[in-house]
Amino acid sequence: GENVEQHPSTLSVQEGDSAVIKCTYSDSASNYFPWYKQELGKGPQLIIDIRSNVGEKKDQRIAVTLNKTAKHFSLHITETQPEDSAVYFCAAPPPSGSARQLTFGSGTQLTVLP
Amino acid sequence: NAGVTQTPKFRILKIGQSMTLQCTQDMNHNYMYWYRQDPGMGLKLIYYSVGAGITDKGEVPNGYNVSRSTTEDFPLRLELAAPSQTSVYFCASSLGNEQFFGPGTRLTVL
Repeated sequence: GENVEQHPSTLSVQEGDSAVIKCTYSDSASNYFPWYKQELGKGPQLIIDIRSNVGEKKDQRIAVTLNKTAKHFSLHITETQPEDSAVYFCAAPPPSGSARQLTFGSGTQLTVLP
Repeated sequence: NAGVTQTPKFRILKIGQSMTLQCTQDMNHNYMYWYRQDPGMGLKLIYYSVGAGITDKGEVPNGYNVSRSTTEDFPLRLELAAPSQTSVYFCASSLGNEQFFGPGTRLTVL
């Protein structure tokens, strides 16, 4: 199946700085890469996703970049705010290509320091 | 819409006991999922369902069973609880690629 590795496991940034979280995947046929945000005591929530036919996607302060050759994708958060503090998970589908059976990374605890 | 609801929120079981974790969604989603989340780990897929009457195993199905008799409900059954099943369990549903998660059930097996 798909192997997804996520780094770093913890990340602290000053408010207003940028944060970058990186994930690598093993199957070159994977074509869908979502990022989920999990706030304390809640279930994860999709914040952005990207398909393999594009290299970058932006949504206000959040962006995701994809490097298919290197098989990695990254989450970029600019102008970080305290409410960005959460655990972030990347994910990728299995070799069969179905986005229903996601393999999740181990998560990154992001702390935005005031 | 309430979205995805899970009950109970917390539960302590003794080894060998059984229980059912309930999950209901009111969004008329075809797909439903059960995940477990261990500390410092990502979500592991236990079982999923593509519609009423159809279920399939995920990455870590051993020790669990599911059923899907209606579109709305997707209960997860633990027959003989073991300490290794101590975890936070999340139910999710989807129509397209985006999965909508419930608030989770924290289960401790002692």
